[in-house]
Amino acid sequence: EDQVTQSPEALRLQEGESSSLNCSYTVSGLRGLFWYRQDPGKGPEFLFTLYSAGEEKEKERLKATLTKKESFLHITAPKPEDSATYLCAVLRYGGSQGNLIFGKGTKLSVKP
Amino acid sequence: DSGVTQTPKHLITATGQRVTLRCSPRSGDLSVYWYQQSLDQGLQFLIHYYNGEERAKGNILERFSAQQFPDLHSELNLSSLELGDSALYFCASSLSGTVNEQFFGPGTRLTVL
Repeated sequence: EDQVTQSPEALRLQEGESSSLNCSYTVSGLRGLFWYRQDPGKGPEFLFTLYSAGEEKEKERLKATLTKKESFLHITAPKPEDSATYLCAVLRYGGSQGNLIFGKGTKLSVKP
Repeated sequence: DSGVTQTPKHLITATGQRVTLRCSPRSGDLSVYWYQQSLDQGLQFLIHYYNGEERAKGNILERFSAQQFPDLHSELNLSSLELGDSALYFCASSLSGTVNEQFFGPGTRLTVL
């Protein structure tokens, strides 16, 4: 069964304390892996798409990487405004078109 | 602002009732997706439309239905509502229906009393 697991469920950091969020997946063929940021009561905001193992993408303090079994979202020197829930989703070959399978997210809190 | 709009923002109704949620995709996007987000289940894919045609169904109940109109806006109809249907309902859009990024709207919070 296709599955996306994110860890940890919650992460508390001090401002400037770098860390990583993990997304492990088991799918029958990965077409793409997506990272989203979601603020409370709002819609997910697109961050990155990764297509193949070894690929990396960066945006400000965030860097996403992909291996054959997992993806990491590295947060360098986070600020309080980075506090949000980060969602990982996968799109697989052979699945319903556009059917993203989401993990349950990592809730990040950054204290000043 | 993703460019995807959803109305209404909040909806409070009673069990057994029927409601309609509306979504307008980003300009130029042909695909519309509906998702349900509850505290214990996370984001669950419901249904996907591409240029007016249904392309995929996920965990959508038979009491729920959707359609995409010629102007590409979409409506999600929820009927015979139950307490467990209370959730955030998100619409997302993308350029096509394959590997393109999906951009999400602000959601409709449905409360069934």
